[in-house]
Amino acid sequence: GENVEQHPSTLSVQEGDSAVIKCTYSDSASNYFPWYKQELGKRPQLIIDIRSNVGEKKDQRIAVTLNKTAKHFSLHITETQPEDSAVYFCAASTNSGYALNFGKGTSLLVTP
Amino acid sequence: DTAVSQTPKYLVTQMGNDKSIKCEQNLGHDTMYWYKQDSKKFLKIMFSYNNKELIINETVPNRFSPKSPDKAHLNLHINSLELGDSAVYFCASSLQPGANYEQYFGPGTRLTVT
Repeated sequence: GENVEQHPSTLSVQEGDSAVIKCTYSDSASNYFPWYKQELGKRPQLIIDIRSNVGEKKDQRIAVTLNKTAKHFSLHITETQPEDSAVYFCAASTNSGYALNFGKGTSLLVTP
Repeated sequence: DTAVSQTPKYLVTQMGNDKSIKCEQNLGHDTMYWYKQDSKKFLKIMFSYNNKELIINETVPNRFSPKSPDKAHLNLHINSLELGDSAVYFCASSLQPGANYEQYFGPGTRLTVT
């Protein structure tokens, strides 16, 4: 199956700083790249997504960039707050178009 | 009102037993999924059903059998439970079967096999 590599596995930042999480994928047929946030003991929830015909998308403090040539995409969180602390998962659509392959997650800790 | 619900929330059982997890969505979605999240938080697709028909069946032991009585329900039955089955199982749904539709996850079922 397709691999989605995600880095770093843990990230600690001070409140107000920016956080960047990077993912790479292997299947050039992938065309949809969502990011999910999972708080401790809770369900994953979609926070932002990007499609292959777009290079960048922003939603308030969150932005995602996509480089299809290099097969990597990144999540950027600016002005981080303690409530941003969670595990973040990137994902890429599979070549069947029916499923998502998830990265292994990044545990983000924002300290006050 | 819960969009995707699962029961039970916790399940503790012994090796060799058979157990079921139920999932229901009230979003009117056509597609439902089961994911397994292991102790390292890795989320992996197991199955997907679209309008009661199986469309994804990843490499999952045949001890796991999904069943979709209607498009609002996707239950997971596990036979002969093993220690390695211990994980959190998430049900999810999406409007249509394409991966580029947002997936809404249930609260998860934490299965512990002793």
